Amino acid sequence: EAGVAQSPRYKIIEKRQSVAFWCNPISGHATLYWYQQILGQGPKLLIQFQNNGVVDDSQLPKDRFSAERLKGVDSTLKIQPAKLEDSAVYLCASSLDRGGNNEQFFGPGTRLTVL
Amino acid sequence: DQQVKQNSPSLSVQEGRISILNCDYTNSMFDYFLWYKKYPAEGPTFLISISSIKDKNEDGRFTVFLNKSAKHLSLHIVPSQPGDSAVYFCAAVYLSGNTPLVFGKGTRLSVIA
Repeated sequence: EAGVAQSPRYKIIEKRQSVAFWCNPISGHATLYWYQQILGQGPKLLIQFQNNGVVDDSQLPKDRFSAERLKGVDSTLKIQPAKLEDSAVYLCASSLDRGGNNEQFFGPGTRLTVL
Repeated sequence: DQQVKQNSPSLSVQEGRISILNCDYTNSMFDYFLWYKKYPAEGPTFLISISSIKDKNEDGRFTVFLNKSAKHLSLHIVPSQPGDSAVYFCAAVYLSGNTPLVFGKGTRLSVIA
């Protein structure tokens, strides 16, 4: 079974530029998550989708971050414009269904460096 | 305000010995707890979980203990192996509230051969 795919694996941009990350979850998984993991911290949920609808985006900085999952399968996360403090690993995860007791499968992440 | 705390950033253990990783939480609404393991350049992988109605859950070499009155859980790995060297994250969730997982900062375990 293929795992969660993410691209790119690494990205370096200058502040005020824009960037986009892509995630393809495990086939059949209804729930998709985007996490931000700053160095030395645990992952923090940015947004959660159930199929193509947003379940939780309370911690997404909506003035600069946006995400979509138009067909309920793959998803993109965009930052525009980027700030220095956005430097982090962006992790995508998926699970069969919502609920914390549904095992989340994580992708390898995209490491973003903002200069 | 950190709701899930892993106060030891790192831990070194000899191969064959027991590794004990600790986690404290502040939110009494949490009713389900998980441990994830992360190797460099990979995403976290689920290791073991425990519901708040239990005080122990065992899976092979891995055992998680939960002390609700102390708001404390621990992960025991016996015996420790070099392949266990990784960062371990504790996470908690309030299932009935459909809240997201809240992760601790992680503890880096090094198992020395």
